[in-house]
This record gives sequence, C-alpha cells and structure tokens, in this order.
Amino acid sequence: DQQVKQNSPSLSVQEGRISILNCDYTNSMFDYFLWYKKYPAEGPTFLISISSIKDKNEDGRFTVFLNKSAKHLSLHIVPSQPGDSAVYFCAARPDSGTYKYIFGTGTRLKVLA
Amino acid sequence: EAQVTQNPRYLITVTGKKLTVTCSQNMNHEYMSWYRQDPGLGLRQIYYSMNVEATDKGDVPEGYKVSRKEKRNFPLILESPSPNQTSLYFCASSLSAGTGNTEAFFGQGTRLTVV
Repeated sequence: DQQVKQNSPSLSVQEGRISILNCDYTNSMFDYFLWYKKYPAEGPTFLISISSIKDKNEDGRFTVFLNKSAKHLSLHIVPSQPGDSAVYFCAARPDSGTYKYIFGTGTRLKVLA
Repeated sequence: EAQVTQNPRYLITVTGKKLTVTCSQNMNHEYMSWYRQDPGLGLRQIYYSMNVEATDKGDVPEGYKVSRKEKRNFPLILESPSPNQTSLYFCASSLSAGTGNTEAFFGQGTRLTVV
C-alpha cells in the first residue's frame, strides 16, 4: 500500500520551461513534506520542504505547493536547466510524533538543452 | 566538510555470510536512519535511531539489525543475507526529526548483491 505516490515515472521538459513534478498522498495526518533530488551514483540531496500548515514554499527557482484537500503536493522548477536532470523523490512524515519518513517512488526529470 | 560516509560502496557476498555496512556522520546529528532503494518501490526505511542507544524499526526491518553505541556511527548488520536483500542502501542523518530543520543528509549509497 503506497501511501506516497509519484505517478509519473519520467518527465521531459525543454530548457527554460517550467517543470512540474507531482506527488499524491493518502494519509491526511501527514504533517511535513520534503523533496529530494538524486543524481546517479550519489545519495539523495534535500531540495525544499513544506509544513502542512502552509500551502506554498519558495526557494529560488524551486516552489513547492501543497493542496491538503486534494492530498496533493507539487514541485515547480522555473526555469528548468539541464543540471536539474535527476530523479526527484517526495517524502512525507506521518505526524510530528514519529521519526518515520515515507518516500514516493521517484520521477526522473530530463531537461533537454 | 559535512558528510555522511558509508562503506563499502559496493559489495558482493554469498547467502548466509554475515556482513556489516558502516555509516558515520560528522555533523553531530541526533537522528540517523537506513533506507533501501529498489526499482519501482522508491526509498523504504529499514531502521532509524533517535539518539545513542535509541533505535526503532522502519517499514522493512526484517533481516536487518542496527546499533547506535556512539552518536556518529550507525552500522547496518545483515546476520544472514539473502538474495532478496540485494539492493541499494542509503544511510541518512538529520539534526532532528521533529519540527524545524528535519532535512536529511544522505550517504553516497552501498550497492549490495547477495548471490
């Protein structure tokens, strides 16, 4: 039972355009969400996070949107650059009292020059 | 340089031969965890540790053991490895897992093959 789902295994975007990566979750108790980026042969690196009390968090070219009623999370990258080509994982924490994090299956983003 | 170091990076072993994957962090982080990454399944948490001598099971703990005798080290032990434990393993650490800064720093991964 996948509680955090990334339904698009891959996405291709032209350089300079917007990349939108999506993540759906099933548990309304999730209180904190994170996005990680992973290059081949490296460990994931933290990108951006959002608390469930917010609906938007922005950091440079990266913005995360949270729609709690739809249980949907999205990551926007504007403008997309070839160096953004990587696998992106969303992750969720079930509640503040737990140390467990649940990851999605990842979306491979390819930014075309 | 702040980092999480895993060793070895690559390991091929035979079924039943005990092995340990080491993990060390130099950031004085309290929280550490182990994940495995498998195709189509993403990252799944194996075990985590809130601090020294405080560990708990993640989502897929069967066949694994951990220990946290020092804050910086969190080894993953496979007492009797089996082929279904062939995977890519990541160790991670973070300052905390509560509110505030919870971002995790990951090691570079250990690719384990059990034949």
